[in-house]
Amino acid sequence: DSGVTQTPKHLITATGQRVTLRCSPRSGDLSVYWYQQSLDQGLQFLIQYYNGEERAKGNILERFSAQQFPDLHSELNLSSLELGDSALYFCASSVGGRVDTQYFGPGTRLTVL
Amino acid sequence: GQQLNQSPQSMFIQEGEDVSMNCTSSSIFNTWLWYKQDPGEGPVLLIALYKAGELTSNGRLTAQFGITRKDSFLNISASIPSDVGIYFCAVPLLRGGGSNYKLTFGKGTLLTVNP
Repeated sequence: DSGVTQTPKHLITATGQRVTLRCSPRSGDLSVYWYQQSLDQGLQFLIQYYNGEERAKGNILERFSAQQFPDLHSELNLSSLELGDSALYFCASSVGGRVDTQYFGPGTRLTVL
Repeated sequence: GQQLNQSPQSMFIQEGEDVSMNCTSSSIFNTWLWYKQDPGEGPVLLIALYKAGELTSNGRLTAQFGITRKDSFLNISASIPSDVGIYFCAVPLLRGGGSNYKLTFGKGTLLTVNP
């Protein structure tokens, strides 16, 4: 158990819908990272927040957004969902902004039908 | 974006055998990381390498940071069934100011161990 929690574990929805994925980082970790894992693209970095502020952006679509709240939990919002958005979404956290010491959560499997 | 070439793509071995996998790139990096992902779980950091030529072990796992800083190797000795999973290499990319800011991952090596 990494100490990072993600909910829900599975999510099935339809094209065009909007969903919110939630992540709670390890106790004391200020940074939260979001990743998308799919068969064709592999594990791709989406976005990082540090203590409530956006720190770095990766290959995140405009239809996707994220935020980190004062209690440090984070949410990833995916809107106007397409079939190709079906993937595993991982959250990771680290102390400070060190990207090389990230702990990953168990992931949310999103299926868009 | 930055490309890491990880090979082999998959391996099917017998319990007790040794395993080798590697990652190469056309770019130089200051850190190489190796992760393992068990089925249905998130990746877990196995070994972090911070210096060219560095050889680091974690139990039956040994990883090396290549001298050219463009590659890294992971070896698993005397494999056991619980070694099954996907192994990823990863490197941090640098911002303009020189600080690490995001990880990029290889495509992974799927390891299957036959008991």
